[in-house]
Amino acid sequence: GAVVSQHPSRVICKSGTSVKIECRSLDFQATTMFWYRQFPKQSLMLMATSNEGSKATYEQGVEKDKFLINHASLTLSTLTVTSAHPEDSSFYICSARDRNLGRSDTQYFGPGTRLTVL
Amino acid sequence: AQKVTQAQTEISVVEKEDVTLDCVYETRDTTYYLFWYKQPPSGELVFLIRRNSFDEQNEISGRYSWNFQKSTSSFNFTITASQVVDSAVYFCALSEATSGAGSYQLTFGKGTKLSVIP
Repeated sequence: GAVVSQHPSRVICKSGTSVKIECRSLDFQATTMFWYRQFPKQSLMLMATSNEGSKATYEQGVEKDKFLINHASLTLSTLTVTSAHPEDSSFYICSARDRNLGRSDTQYFGPGTRLTVL
Repeated sequence: AQKVTQAQTEISVVEKEDVTLDCVYETRDTTYYLFWYKQPPSGELVFLIRRNSFDEQNEISGRYSWNFQKSTSSFNFTITASQVVDSAVYFCALSEATSGAGSYQLTFGKGTKLSVIP
């Protein structure tokens, strides 16, 4: 149980284009989904927190107009990197918090999306 | 503010040796959760364990064991008889129940890279 999927797993795009990453909780409903960014050999950096049906809460320093987050349902959240540039190249990971009270304090992570902007 | 310190950046052990990964945390809350996640080279974070602040009982799961000591604010992780498949980056994380308007945001340590040499 508690499986989170991400799509795509890898994406290469040209500078200036937009890229959408999907995060799905497959066997549970997610109260909250989180988006992280991870640079090589570093820890995870929280970008934003999103609750279903409401606007995402962005961490300080994260541009909300550049990283658009939509959490349309209890099982799906999307992150769109708009007008991507090479410095946006990174490993993006989502996680989901189970709505079930017995597991609601644990985040389950997706496999990540490696974005390369040329 | 919460903080997680994993002082060991990298550890190398020979297969079948035991290894302990250290984790020290700081929090002002009385209610919090501690986690360990494994990140193999593939990138996906695998949930290993969750421990709440009211449960100091140590836990064993196969070759894995965890020692939670509130007196020293530590939550150490021991792998017994290590195997090559244990090679990964291990993250310790802290979640305060009251953080982020109840969204249980995670604060990660910087991770410890474990290499198990055959």
